[in-house]
Amino acid sequence: NAGVMQNPRHLVRRRGQEARLRCSPMKGHSHVYWYRQLPEEGLKFMVYLQKENIIDESGMPKERFSAEFPKEGPSILRIQQVVRGDSAAYFCASSNLHSGNTIYFGEGSWLTVV
Amino acid sequence: AQKITQTQPGMFVQEKEAVTLDCTYDTSDQSYGLFWYKQPSSGEMIFLIYQGSYDEQNATEGRYSLNFQKARKSANLVISASQLGDSAMYFCAMREDSYTGTASKLTFGTGTRLQVTL
Repeated sequence: NAGVMQNPRHLVRRRGQEARLRCSPMKGHSHVYWYRQLPEEGLKFMVYLQKENIIDESGMPKERFSAEFPKEGPSILRIQQVVRGDSAAYFCASSNLHSGNTIYFGEGSWLTVV
Repeated sequence: AQKITQTQPGMFVQEKEAVTLDCTYDTSDQSYGLFWYKQPSSGEMIFLIYQGSYDEQNATEGRYSLNFQKARKSANLVISASQLGDSAMYFCAMREDSYTGTASKLTFGTGTRLQVTL
């Protein structure tokens, strides 16, 4: 887990507001992944990004969700006009060519929509 | 079709005993990786162990070992000498290497909740 930083850890939003979740990968990592975990379920892949590029967004809902990983700064997962069904834990993971087979996860961000 | 199947929603084990958590997978790739993660009640995902499809030996990490049976497509996690702190959710996950050479998109199972008792 060490090194992948996510914030905020907990976020409460009212329906219709926007949620922004941030992820700073481990130092030197250029691959970032976002996963969503609904209550009592396993993690589901959402999106895979490299610096300034979205490589695979096949797991992202078509509307209201977006992600970016700018040249400078953390990766951002943005959820617009949140609904109750968006309440979940959002995990970020990072890797690089040399991280081998250990995929490092952050501690997660818990979004609650009220 | 479900790619990772964990058929045990919950398991109990007595302290100091060994326990096996089941995981079966489905893939047509020749090259893939299998992972186990622990998620305690605090929520973080803790990497436990990795097994590559071409690894001939079963992976071991301390009290964790992975019983890899390729022909049966199973990758069961064995925890020896269970401790109270092992109580958590355990997730099996797979990376299919045809995805891209260096990427690490994982497919997770639904998890097994392990409770260690005195």
